[in-house]
Amino acid sequence: GDSVTQMEGPVTLSEEAFLTINCTYTATGYPSLFWYVQYPGEGLQLLLKATKADDKGSNKGFEATYRKETTSFHLEKGSVQVSDSAVYFCALSAGGGSNYKLTFGKGTLLTVNP
Amino acid sequence: ETGVTQSPTHLIKTRGQQVTLRCSSQSGHNTVSWYQQALGQGPQFIFQYYREEENGRGNFPPRFSGLQFPNYSSELNVNALELDDSALYLCASSLAAGGVGASPLHFGNGTRLTVT
Repeated sequence: GDSVTQMEGPVTLSEEAFLTINCTYTATGYPSLFWYVQYPGEGLQLLLKATKADDKGSNKGFEATYRKETTSFHLEKGSVQVSDSAVYFCALSAGGGSNYKLTFGKGTLLTVNP
Repeated sequence: ETGVTQSPTHLIKTRGQQVTLRCSSQSGHNTVSWYQQALGQGPQFIFQYYREEENGRGNFPPRFSGLQFPNYSSELNVNALELDDSALYLCASSLAAGGVGASPLHFGNGTRLTVT
């Protein structure tokens, strides 16, 4: 079945450091790929997405490229801020039409210190 | 634009009891999905409702059931609660119109269920 494996956390960085959170996936067909972010006490918010190979999703300085050859969708940010502290989830959706089931990784806790 | 709202925010139940969680979808959305997020884990897909019918189900037993109403709001019902049902239950809505990725899921803040 479909699965997502992402980097184990927690990750602790200083402000302005470079961030990479690795994500690889297993799926049949051509899934869409997502990064969601969850701030303390809140639900998940879509951070970025890519729907086909070689697409780059980007938002708020974060970016990730859909790499079909390595089945990866690593999240990167050049300079993190304290406000980026949250749990980040990589996810895929392999369903078509109205079947929009998401398969999530376990999440990576990011803490950014001033 | 009204987002996804869930009620209640917190709930404590005893093993063996039944619980109903509620979700109002975002304005304009016609599809509702439910996810269970255990502590320290990623969300797990329970099921999805589209046009008031179940439209996909994850690996959850039949004691997890749901409804979608004509206004697209939804309920998640869990019977015979077990300790392992303690989790954050997330509702997400979307607009089903076209292929995957056309309408990302919008999540509510969840209902924290504790079973003692």
